[in-house]
This record gives sequence, structure tokens and C-alpha cells, in this order.
Amino acid sequence: GAVVSQHPSRVICKSGTSVKIECRSLDFQATTMFWYRQFPKQSLMLMATSNEGSKATYEQGVEKDKFLINHASLTLSTLTVTSAHPEDSSFYICSASPRVRYEQYFGPGTRLTVT
Amino acid sequence: EDQVTQSPEALRLQEGESSSLNCSYTVSGLRGLFWYRQDPGKGPEFLFTLYSAGEEKEKERLKATLTKKESFLHITAPKPEDSATYLCAVNRRGSNTGKLIFGQGTTLQVKP
Repeated sequence: GAVVSQHPSRVICKSGTSVKIECRSLDFQATTMFWYRQFPKQSLMLMATSNEGSKATYEQGVEKDKFLINHASLTLSTLTVTSAHPEDSSFYICSASPRVRYEQYFGPGTRLTVT
Repeated sequence: EDQVTQSPEALRLQEGESSSLNCSYTVSGLRGLFWYRQDPGKGPEFLFTLYSAGEEKEKERLKATLTKKESFLHITAPKPEDSATYLCAVNRRGSNTGKLIFGQGTTLQVKP
């Protein structure tokens, strides 16, 4: 149980284009979903927290107009990287928390490369 | 300020050589402490949640314990497939978002 999927697993895009990453909780309803970024050999950096039907809460230093988050339902959240640049290349990971519990279950991650 | 510190940063063990990973935390009211395993190029895999001092959880060769200041992840007779980065995280009581504060991780390598 508690499976989270992410799509795509890898994406290469050209500078200036936008990329959408989907995160789904497959066997539970997620009260809250989280988006992280991870650089090589570093720990997870929280970008934003989203609740279904509400605006996302962004961490300090994260540009909300660049990283658009939509939490359309209790099982789906999307992250759109707008006007991507090479410095946005990274490993993006989503997680989801079931209702009334606090552990987070993580997706497999999306490797974004901007050329 | 809430903080999580893991030690050591890296650990090399021979297969069968038991050891422990440490997670020290400073948080204004602990709601829960979480252990995850992360393999290279993958998302973290949930292992355990601990809620109160004295609590212990076990799964195969792993055992997690919790005190008021730290948590240990004990690995008994590890195998090469236990090689991974182990992450510790805490959730603060009063946080209405469920946000986790992560440590930097301990990278474990088990040699056959």
C-alpha cells in the first residue's frame, strides 16, 4: 500500500519551454502533497506544500511564478516548470500524506534536464 | 530553530558487521520521527515512524529506536543490498502542513 507515482521519470527540454510533472497517489487519498528538489549528494529541499483545492504554500526563495503547482484532486498534483533554464535541471520528487497521518510517501522522482 | 543532524555522513561495513546510524534532533515538540531509505536516482522509501521516547520498530535487519533527543537505526548483520542512503526526518507538533525537516543522510556501503 501507499504507492505514489510520478510521470515522466525523465524529461529533456529546451531552454525557454515549460515542463509539467504529474504526481499521483495510487491507493490512498492524499490530504497534502509536497514537491522537493534534490541536487547530487544532497538531501531533499522542500519547494512547496499543496492541499487539494487550495493554493500551494511555497518555501522561501522558491519562485511561485516559475514553479506552478496545481492540486486538482485528492490523488493528483502537478508541478509545471515554466520557461525552464539550464539551472532548473535537477531531480524533482513529490510526496503525499494520507489523511490523518503524517508520514510522507515519495514518488520515484523525475530527472529534468534543460538544454 | 528546528534541526536534524545525522551521523556519520558515510559508513562502510563488511557484510555481517552490525552497526548503528544516529539521528539527533532539536524540535519544539516532536509529533513524529521518520526513517527513509533512498537508493541512487530514486525517491525515498518509507521505513518507520516513531512517535514517543522509548518506542521501537523493527523490519527485517533494521531496528529503529527513539529517545527524547535522538534516534538510532540499528542494522544487524547487514547485506550488500542494504547499501543506500538513510534519511531521518521530524515533524513538529503544531505544524498544520505536515512539513518534514530532513537530516543530511548517512550513506551506507556494505561490502561482500
